[in-house]
Amino acid sequence: DIQMTQSPSSLSASVGDRVTITCRASQSISSYLNWYQQKPGKAPKLLIFAASRLRSGLPSRFSGSGSGMDFTLTISSLQPEDFATYYCQQTHSIPPYTFGPGTKLEIK
Amino acid sequence: QVQLQESGPGLVKPSETLSLTCTVSGGSISSYHWSWIRQPPGKGLEWIGYIYYNGSTNYNPSLKSRVTISVDTSKNQFSLKLSSVTAADTAVYYCARVPPPPVGFDPWGQGTLVTVSS
Repeated sequence: DIQMTQSPSSLSASVGDRVTITCRASQSISSYLNWYQQKPGKAPKLLIFAASRLRSGLPSRFSGSGSGMDFTLTISSLQPEDFATYYCQQTHSIPPYTFGPGTKLEIK
Repeated sequence: QVQLQESGPGLVKPSETLSLTCTVSGGSISSYHWSWIRQPPGKGLEWIGYIYYNGSTNYNPSLKSRVTISVDTSKNQFSLKLSSVTAADTAVYYCARVPPPPVGFDPWGQGTLVTVSS
């Protein structure tokens, strides 16, 4: 199985801050990396697919980069609605599709 | 747009079989793969498996011996059965559409909490 790790596991930031979350795969996954946002009591929502492609209709303050084993999700200017948990996921090799453990983004 | 809705019992006894159905509306199930994912309370996401409309499946090896995913194209539904459940299977269960990679899972159902308890 491909293992996914994320750092940090939690993060405190303020509205307007620039935030970066990293995700690492245990082996190369090319650009088969997705990012999801999950708010409490809600289902995850797709933010970024193929490492850097923003899902249609989402604000451009979200961006993704990376390839191979190392990836980042950047929020350029945090908004109040961005405080949530973020998960990365690889869809390169199955079974299984694997998710990272999540990064909880909290208000400072 | 496509919407997914999970349904099924919220309480299952230990050693019994968990059964859930996902109903797809706003689009046909006869394309894409369709997946189940679960999330224990306060924990991360675990992919359970997926099914294609023609019935072909792929399961997480950690659950493969206990999981069956099936599809009913006439009802635009797909289903999950997880046998011999224990308290460790208590989780919110989600269904999701799985476009061909490199696209991610989208959309997801709202999720349904299944508790395993006697």
